[in-house]
Amino acid sequence: GQQLNQSPQSMFIQEGEDVSMNCTSSSIFNTWLWYKQDPGEGPVLLIALYKAGELTSNGRLTAQFGITRKDSFLNISASIPSDVGIYFCAGRATGANSKLTFGKGITLSVRP
Amino acid sequence: GAGVSQSPSNKVTEKGKDVELRCDPISGHTALYWYRQSLGQGLEFLIYFQGNSAPDKSGLPSDRFSAERTGGSVSTLTIQRTQQEDSAVYLCASSRLAGGPRETQYFGPGTRLLVL
Repeated sequence: GQQLNQSPQSMFIQEGEDVSMNCTSSSIFNTWLWYKQDPGEGPVLLIALYKAGELTSNGRLTAQFGITRKDSFLNISASIPSDVGIYFCAGRATGANSKLTFGKGITLSVRP
Repeated sequence: GAGVSQSPSNKVTEKGKDVELRCDPISGHTALYWYRQSLGQGLEFLIYFQGNSAPDKSGLPSDRFSAERTGGSVSTLTIQRTQQEDSAVYLCASSRLAGGPRETQYFGPGTRLLVL
């Protein structure tokens, strides 16, 4: 089946630093989504991407839909303590009944 | 309601018992999804509903797992004869229409199941 790869499993950064995460797939996707999950909560959608090459921002977050349609990147600028959480990428392949496939997530820790 | 709600938020049960997990989707959302999240893992798709029918049940791990949806709204995920490996967070999500070109799934807070 389709798989999304996110690595590393954990990232540790200093408050104020920028951080970049990527997500890769062996299959072509036509939708990429980035979610954040806080402890004890469900994932919350951060950014949705629908077109190859698309670059979209949401505050300090910027995400890009890779040209090859097999990858996506999420950048967080000027990190703050509340950025702590698990960041999941999700993708949907072409096809009317295609399901979302999720990566295993990256746990981000921000040191004050 | 304003968002997807799930109940109970936490459930502790003994091995062999049956459990029912409930999901209330966002009003007007016709698609409803169940996922399982084990510690340190991503979201594992279980089943989804479009209206009251379930076009894809392929993710249900065994015949001990079943789900239903009535009235195009509330859904119940039932796990019979629970096993310790069933311990996980069970997440529900809803969207306006499954498979739409810009479908966005909105998640509930999850039910944390612990099987002793």
